[in-house]
Amino acid sequence: AQTVTQSQPEMSVQEAETVTLSCTYDTSENNYYLFWYKQPPSRQMILVIRQEAYKQQNATENRFSVNFQKAAKSFSLKISDSQLGDTAMYFCAFTFSGNTPLVFGKGTRLSVIA
Amino acid sequence: DAGVIQSPRHEVTEMGQEVTLRCKPISGHDYLFWYRQTMMRGLELLIYFNNNVPIDDSGMPEDRFSAKMPNASFSTLKIQPSEPRDSAVYFCASRPTNYNEQFFGPGTRLTVL
Repeated sequence: AQTVTQSQPEMSVQEAETVTLSCTYDTSENNYYLFWYKQPPSRQMILVIRQEAYKQQNATENRFSVNFQKAAKSFSLKISDSQLGDTAMYFCAFTFSGNTPLVFGKGTRLSVIA
Repeated sequence: DAGVIQSPRHEVTEMGQEVTLRCKPISGHDYLFWYRQTMMRGLELLIYFNNNVPIDDSGMPEDRFSAKMPNASFSTLKIQPSEPRDSAVYFCASRPTNYNEQFFGPGTRLTVL
């Protein structure tokens, strides 16, 4: 079975600083996709960034970037210039290619402090 | 497009009552997923459909839970009878074939007293 592990239940960061959220996963598959979702207090699930396993280049979306280490099965999220609006739960998720459901980690609660 | 629509947004019911949660996927999306989110277990897949056909219902906790998708634009998740341990946020998500991003609805917060 595929698993996703987020080892940091809670984190905090000062506004304008940089924070990195960790995620590891376990799979024997070679083709898959990784995601980071943000869930603010409104509980809406918002896609932050995605990474295709076959791409060596790390994905970047504005202040959000990932460090994808395929051999280590690691997929961390870096948030630069943290803003108060980044306060949320962050979920790492995994899916195979081929139209399968997402498998989620337990989440990391991030608090951005003014 | 309005996105994935779920109703109701909040539901409070008493133990033993029947609860029906509703979902309208994004038009053209032929995959529909039901997830449940609790503090203890996080986000779990309950069931998913492809072209209105259930593909995997192994996450449905027990016979009290049932899900249907009578057409491409509507799905229901029913709990009968409901129990306090069913209290959770239930998400519906959809996506088109061969596109791995899922689009989530706003969720239904269910409280069973």
